[in-house]
Amino acid sequence: SQQGEEDPQALSIQEGENATMNCSYKTSINNLQWYRQNSGRGLVHLILIRSNEREKHSGRLRVTLDTSKKSSSLLITASRAADTASYFCATDGPGAGSYQLTFGKGTKLSVIP
Amino acid sequence: EAQVTQNPRYLITVTGKKLTVTCSQNMNHEYMSWYRQDPGLGLRQIYYSMNVEVTDKGDVPEGYKVSRKEKRNFPLILESPSPNQTSLYFCASSLSQGGTGELFFGEGSRLTVL
Repeated sequence: SQQGEEDPQALSIQEGENATMNCSYKTSINNLQWYRQNSGRGLVHLILIRSNEREKHSGRLRVTLDTSKKSSSLLITASRAADTASYFCATDGPGAGSYQLTFGKGTKLSVIP
Repeated sequence: EAQVTQNPRYLITVTGKKLTVTCSQNMNHEYMSWYRQDPGLGLRQIYYSMNVEVTDKGDVPEGYKVSRKEKRNFPLILESPSPNQTSLYFCASSLSQGGTGELFFGEGSRLTVL
């Protein structure tokens, strides 16, 4: 099954700075999602963007999707120490026959106070 | 409170001793799924279920069994655990029957097989 790949694998920034993470995938999708995982905890859904959308906002989060490049980015503005976590993109498959979300390996974000 | 509950959260067992990890959701979701998370490998799907009595294999089903007798419960069964099944396991559910909408995750079950 296809898999998103996040980049970079790890990112360390100062509190107040913006953090940008990227996700690339291989085949066409219906939607792409971003999740956050605090160390060893369950994943929490952040945002879902459909293939016909180019940009979506939720609070300090901004997600873009470029289906021609098969890539997405997650921007966290004005980062806080509490944003320290791993971030995963997840993609579904093309068509109604796919019943799986496939996750990438994640970007580990550290926000230094 | 809407939630997915897994038990046990931590378990140490020995090779060959059958165990079951329970998963229950209170959101009346059709879709439920099990993932395992390993360093460097990310999350990989083990099994999923789109409805009661309907289950299907994910990417890494070997060594695992599941059942879906009731909508709210989706237990993961390891009939004869081996050390390579040492991992962090997550149960998830979704309102979307196809499982490609928002997933709600449990807090995880950390399993060690000696």
